[in-house]
Amino acid sequence: AQSVSQHNHHVILSEAASLELGCNYSYGGTVNLFWYVQYPGQHLQLLLKYFSGDPLVKGIKGFEAEFIKSKFSFNLRKPSVQWSDTAEYFCAVNPWDNNDMRFGAGTRLTVKP
Amino acid sequence: NAGVTQTPKFQVLKTGQSMTLQCAQDMNHEYMSWYRQDPGMGLRLIHYSVGAGITDQGEVPNGYNVSRSTTEDFPLRLLSAAPSQTSVYFCASRGLAGYTGELFFGEGSRLTVL
Repeated sequence: AQSVSQHNHHVILSEAASLELGCNYSYGGTVNLFWYVQYPGQHLQLLLKYFSGDPLVKGIKGFEAEFIKSKFSFNLRKPSVQWSDTAEYFCAVNPWDNNDMRFGAGTRLTVKP
Repeated sequence: NAGVTQTPKFQVLKTGQSMTLQCAQDMNHEYMSWYRQDPGMGLRLIHYSVGAGITDQGEVPNGYNVSRSTTEDFPLRLLSAAPSQTSVYFCASRGLAGYTGELFFGEGSRLTVL
């Protein structure tokens, strides 16, 4: 089965700083890739997704992610974070040949005002 | 817009007790799943279903049972609760036809087993 690794457990940034959260997966076949966000006390919401085509995908709230197939990576970026981006971020992988979506352990982002 | 509804939101059990977490969705989604969320471990898939009468195991199925008698409902049963099952449980659903991949999550059920 596939697995997902998120390199950073807790990231602390000041407002306006740039953000990059790492995500690597292990699976030999074709996959769909996702980033979900969980704001404090809320359920998970989709931030962005990659199915095929342009490896640079843009999501909501100014987030983007780049799929690098050779590195099995799908890193999340934002040029300038805001205090309201404080949340936990989860990378997820869903292979094309099964219905099993696996999540990474999550990265907690704290943005200081 | 109800979406995915989970009940109860909070529950405290004693070791050995049984209970059922309810999940219902009103989006006519074929796929439904249960995850547990634990600190430092992200979300782990417990069981999932691709339609009424069809269920399958995920990553951490031991200690949990599921059934899918209707498209709308996907209850999760703990037959004999253990402290290791203390967690936050999320139900999620998505369509299979016209697949977009996006999972729609419920609000979560926080379970404490003493």
